[in-house]
Amino acid sequence: QITLKESGPTLVKPTQTLTLTCTLSGFSLSETAVGVGWIRQPPGKALEWLGLIYWDDVKHYSPSLKNRLTITRDTSKNRVVLTMTNMDPVDTATYYCGHTSGWLVDYWGQGTLVTVSS
Amino acid sequence: EIVLTQSPGTLSLSPGERATLSCRASQTVVNSYLAWYQKKPGQAPRLLIYNTFNRASGIPDRFGGSGSGTDFTLTISRLEPEDFAVYYCQQYAFAPLNFGGGTKVEMK
Repeated sequence: QITLKESGPTLVKPTQTLTLTCTLSGFSLSETAVGVGWIRQPPGKALEWLGLIYWDDVKHYSPSLKNRLTITRDTSKNRVVLTMTNMDPVDTATYYCGHTSGWLVDYWGQGTLVTVSS
Repeated sequence: EIVLTQSPGTLSLSPGERATLSCRASQTVVNSYLAWYQKKPGQAPRLLIYNTFNRASGIPDRFGGSGSGTDFTLTISRLEPEDFAVYYCQQYAFAPLNFGGGTKVEMK
């Protein structure tokens, strides 16, 4: 059974760096053609795709956020880490990670709400 | 970068009615790599349709997807009370894997 769970701080201050962890279960990021993506949803707004990392360590990022985002993997601990620098109140959102088959997100974590406020 | 535009923004319908949601892409979605997700407050998105037509595991057959090229449609043949939610399309042909702005299906 494939499951994912996001974890990290619920509150960060403006200009700080956010680090979120996605813990994987039921699959491994070393499996061919598997990836993990990150998506967020600000309150009352639409889903926004942030980026993804593949089994072969290939990464893709949203063009509008690529200068602030880093996605890494730790296959020994079966987890993926999202780092976003220079956080701003507009980055307040629920952040989701998802299992991808090819490029399709077919399983989602429950999400974690991150609030950016001083 | 492919931009997806969903319409209408809000659809007000009654249970038992048919819902037709549109998703238009700014360029051709190669291989019909277009998915639809259902989103309810406090819940993770749920994959409904992938590859334009295919229902995901466990999705009732009242949900149907169609389209090609730049125009895609999600149809809910007869709305059940649990279908009132926000629906998003997403293309996964090219990065960035953008989502549309969503269509809210609300109870009339």
